[in-house]
Amino acid sequence: DVVMTQSPLSLPVTLGQPASISCRSSQSLVHSDGNTYLNWFQQRPGQSPRRLIYKVSNRDSGVPDRFSGSGSGTDFTLKISRVEAEDVGVYYCMQGQQSLTFGQGTRLEI
Amino acid sequence: EVQLVESGGGLIQPGGSLRLSCAASGFTVNNNFMSWVRQAPGKGLEWVSVIYSGGTTYYADSVKGRFTISRDNSKNTLYLQMNSLRAEDTAVYYCARKFADVWGKGTTVTVSA
Repeated sequence: DVVMTQSPLSLPVTLGQPASISCRSSQSLVHSDGNTYLNWFQQRPGQSPRRLIYKVSNRDSGVPDRFSGSGSGTDFTLKISRVEAEDVGVYYCMQGQQSLTFGQGTRLEI
Repeated sequence: EVQLVESGGGLIQPGGSLRLSCAASGFTVNNNFMSWVRQAPGKGLEWVSVIYSGGTTYYADSVKGRFTISRDNSKNTLYLQMNSLRAEDTAVYYCARKFADVWGKGTTVTVSA
């Protein structure tokens, strides 16, 4: 099974400042079809998760461009260029190379 | 509009059974792989099961042998049959499309005597 490990698990930030979350997989997420199925999700308090980024670096429709994803192989990063109040919540990475597996989540707090 | 609506949750005693439903609109369930994901109170997201368009299914070890995922193409609905329920199955259960690009609002399952 693929294990996803996020860090940090808690991320205090200042409004307007950047933030970065790391996600590491226990094995390469490069699928046989050539794609790397690494997604990022945001879960605001009391809401369902919302996908932000798919296949490492592609923003979903309606996602602000202050969110960006990068990485390859087993190491991935979600960056927020300037944190806004509405970004508070828990962020998860997820692999789709073998079924689905989520990271433990990173709580972003201001 | 693409939408998923879960239902069927509730309070159930340990050892009991429940069937969750996930009604899809705006797309066809059997043309996509579909998953169930759960979230225990105050905890993170846990993948539970997936059904691929060809019908192949997979389960997390924690539910294997107790839960069954299925779909009804005529109703465009995904199901999760949950048997031999345990306290640790208490969670909000979400259905999600493909690589989780669309989620429902979830349905709450509470397993308690």
